[in-house]
Amino acid sequence: AQSVTQLGSHVSVSEGALVLLRCNYSSSVPPYLFWYVQYPNQGLQLLLKYTSAATLVKGINGFEAEFKKSETSFHLTKPSAHMSDAAEYFCAVSFSGTYKYIFGTGTRLKVLA
Amino acid sequence: DVKVTQSSRYLVKRTGEKVFLECVQDMDHENMFWYRQDPGLGLRLIYFSYDVKMKEKGDIPEGYSVSREKKERFSLILESASTNQTSMYLCASSPRQGTLAGGIVPYNEQFFGPGTRLTVL
Repeated sequence: AQSVTQLGSHVSVSEGALVLLRCNYSSSVPPYLFWYVQYPNQGLQLLLKYTSAATLVKGINGFEAEFKKSETSFHLTKPSAHMSDAAEYFCAVSFSGTYKYIFGTGTRLKVLA
Repeated sequence: DVKVTQSSRYLVKRTGEKVFLECVQDMDHENMFWYRQDPGLGLRLIYFSYDVKMKEKGDIPEGYSVSREKKERFSLILESASTNQTSMYLCASSPRQGTLAGGIVPYNEQFFGPGTRLTVL
């Protein structure tokens, strides 16, 4: 079955430190992959997406993610965390032939001063 | 900018009431979705619609119905609200999926509304 897994429901980093949020998917067909961010009391907004072009994808707010087919991963990174990055992050996947998107359970990022 | 609006940010209803959640998008998107978001469970798809009057069940449709009479509006209906339907409800829209050799290629991202936090007492 197709699925997406986010390791770590809560991640804490110091301001200025590297942010790494993990996402792995399970699929027998090529996926389309997305990272969304949700700030408190708001809906989700797109950070970046992978749609089979470049494997390293750059998004908004300094985030990027790398698609690694051999590891079935699409981890989100940012070199230097900022206080404003504190939010919940969702990885999502979709596949050809379906209208549906599958979301991970989310990772809440806390940035420590 | 794409805008997806939801009729209420917060809603409190009684058990057994019929509840309507409204969602409107202003970018002429073909696809619309209703999710519920619960801590530790992420987003779960309730229903989606890929055209006017067309709807398909998602992963957790029980206790819900939907209506899409106009392209820009997608309504979620709780026929008889229960306490286990207390949740955050998110509406989303997306453009028609791209096609590759006639197949659906869902590379378009979804645009989300701000959510409705529903409490059923």
